[in-house]
Amino acid sequence: KAGVTQTPRYLIKTRGQQVTLSCSPISGHRSVSWYQQTPGQGLQFLFEYFSETQRNKGNFPGRFSGRQFSNSRSEMNVSTLELGDSALYLCASSQKPGQGDYIGGMGSSYNEQFFGPGTRLTVL
Amino acid sequence: GQQLNQSPQSMFIQEGEDVSMNCTSSSIFNTWLWYKQEPGEGPVLLIALYKAGELTSNGRLTAQFGITRKDSFLNISASIPSDVGIYFCAVRYGSKVTFGTGTKLQVIP
Repeated sequence: KAGVTQTPRYLIKTRGQQVTLSCSPISGHRSVSWYQQTPGQGLQFLFEYFSETQRNKGNFPGRFSGRQFSNSRSEMNVSTLELGDSALYLCASSQKPGQGDYIGGMGSSYNEQFFGPGTRLTVL
Repeated sequence: GQQLNQSPQSMFIQEGEDVSMNCTSSSIFNTWLWYKQEPGEGPVLLIALYKAGELTSNGRLTAQFGITRKDSFLNISASIPSDVGIYFCAVRYGSKVTFGTGTKLQVIP
């Protein structure tokens, strides 16, 4: 199976512009999550989509938005870019959303999130 | 928000040495994960832990889920140069995964 793919891999924008990043999940995976990675804040959860619906959202301003299509592919959009938006944006897919807690060892790594290589966004 | 305290922040070790890193949380979690990230790539899942006290191996890697469900450790035995990277612990509740700050591992040949 092909892994998670993200396009573009690198992007340079200027302040005030907007940007759209794309993510294609592993075939058969229906849940897509987005993360922002910066040296200062580490890996932070942005949002998660399943069946074209946003299920969870992290603590980011409304300038960050996303959507998911019927084929499970997802896009995220950042409007009115700021210098601090420079980061590696990672997409991760899983077969289905996490089912709460697997108390007693019922979970399987097969159902965990698998990451793409990321899109490196630089805002000048 | 939830924070995971991961230590050490970085390590320089000789090839062939064993490595140990750990992660603690102030809250209880029932799913602990360990990922490795290499330059220019996304994190790769190494080990997933679902049961308190569980000890799981993946080749030279061994991870344990603490009995209190508030901590986990990862050991790497007989390190080799390709072990270089950043190792992240993470906890998952539902769909949301929270990552630790990472341990940067460098191996001296």
